[in-house]
Amino acid sequence: AQTVTQSQPEMSVQEAETVTLSCTYDTSESDYYLFWYKQPPSRQMILVIRQEAYKQQNATENRFSVNFQKAAKSFSLKISDSQLGDAAMYFCAYVDSGGGADGLTFGKGTHLIIQP
Amino acid sequence: DAGVIQSPRHEVTEMGQEVTLRCKPISGHNSLFWYRQTMMRGLELLIYFNNNVPIDDSGMPEDRFSAKMPNASFSTLKIQPSEPRDSAVYFCASSFGGNRPGELFFGEGSRLTVL
Repeated sequence: AQTVTQSQPEMSVQEAETVTLSCTYDTSESDYYLFWYKQPPSRQMILVIRQEAYKQQNATENRFSVNFQKAAKSFSLKISDSQLGDAAMYFCAYVDSGGGADGLTFGKGTHLIIQP
Repeated sequence: DAGVIQSPRHEVTEMGQEVTLRCKPISGHNSLFWYRQTMMRGLELLIYFNNNVPIDDSGMPEDRFSAKMPNASFSTLKIQPSEPRDSAVYFCASSFGGNRPGELFFGEGSRLTVL
C-alpha cells in the first residue's frame, strides 16, 4: 500500500518570507500523481498544486511551486512571499494513475503558521 | 456551481444512536468519496463510488458503517449504532475522475460528536 509521510507537524514563517514543506511517499508504481491540498480554519480542503510523476518539470502555481524528486520519492512545497491567508493545514497526497476513481492517500499534514 | 454540499455541519448525539450524514456532489462529477478526519489518524478514505457504484469500501471501519449512493446527486453515510470513537469530521468529496485523478472537490465537512 502507498504511504505518504509529512515529517513536520508544524512550521512557522514570517510574512513575505519563503517556506518549504516536506513530503515523502512510498510506492511501487511508476506512474502516479502527487498533490498538495490546503485546509484553512474553515475546514474545506482546497487543491493547491498537482504534479504528474511522468513529467520532470516541477509544477508551479503563482507563489506555490514544488520540488519533485522521483528517485528520492520526495515532493516538497515551496510557498514564496508568504501571506497571512496562507495560514492553514497543508496535506500532501498521492494517487495511482491507473484508476481514475481511486481515492487519495493523504499525509498527516503540516500546520503552517504565518507570523505578521 | 454550489460545490459539494454536506449536511449536517455539526451533529451531537449519544452513544447507540443512529447517525446519517448526507452529501450532494457537484453536478457532472462521476466519483464520490467519503473521508474521515481525526487528530490521531488524519484523513482516512472510507469508501468511494464511481457512477453510483461502490468501488472500494475497504476503509469502512466496521459493519456499523454503511454508505449508499442511490443516484448521481446524493449519497449518505450511516453509522448505527454510533460510539464515542466515531467522533470525527466526515468529509464528502467529488471529482470528474477519468484523466484528472486525484483532483477532488471537498465539502465543508460534518463534525460528529458522540457522547
